[in-house]
Amino acid sequence: NAGVTQTPKFQVLKTGQSMTLQCAQDMNHNSMYWYRQDPGMGLRLIYYSASEGTTDKGEVPNGYNVSRLNKREFSLRLESAAPSQTSVYFCASSPRTRSYNEQFFGPGTRLTVL
Amino acid sequence: AQSVSQHNHHVILSEAASLELGCNYSYGGTVNLFWYVQYPGQHLQLLLKYFSGDPLVKGIKGFEAEFIKSKFSFNLRKPSVQWSDTAEYFCAVNLDTGRRALTFGSGTRLQVQP
Repeated sequence: NAGVTQTPKFQVLKTGQSMTLQCAQDMNHNSMYWYRQDPGMGLRLIYYSASEGTTDKGEVPNGYNVSRLNKREFSLRLESAAPSQTSVYFCASSPRTRSYNEQFFGPGTRLTVL
Repeated sequence: AQSVSQHNHHVILSEAASLELGCNYSYGGTVNLFWYVQYPGQHLQLLLKYFSGDPLVKGIKGFEAEFIKSKFSFNLRKPSVQWSDTAEYFCAVNLDTGRRALTFGSGTRLQVQP
């Protein structure tokens, strides 16, 4: 199993450009998440999807949109990139059971907005 | 507001020294607790987790953590660190079981000198 995969690994954008970060998991997990990691701030939740067909805002959703394409894939879109969105983006997934389970993280996408 | 605090931002130790990293959360309800590690250039990996039962939990690579409910704490310990433990450590708490998302602390950068 590949676990959680993310593409691309690195990306440089100019202010105002758009792009989509891709995430896929092969563990048959129901829930998927997008976080951003900034120095000294830990990871902050952008959006999450509790199950296929549902998405909800997290702590820092402004400037982002998401799509839960199917059970495996959860994409994050920046419609008009801003320098404040320079960050490392992590996708994660977790199984959905009655009790809470750990999250499994992808390798991250390092995004720079000039 | 609900939050997770890691008071040690940067810790420098010599090999064989003992380690204790602090983690406190502010939430009066039921919590699930995690410690993740991020080695340089890699994604987050789970070190250990607490859901219920014995408050002293053991994880991988000789790490352990103790949940003290009365102190809202979940400190990470290791009796003798190695150079290979150099990494960033994140405490995470599931504060909203309905959303199943994690709230992360700001992280502690551990540097182990040979």
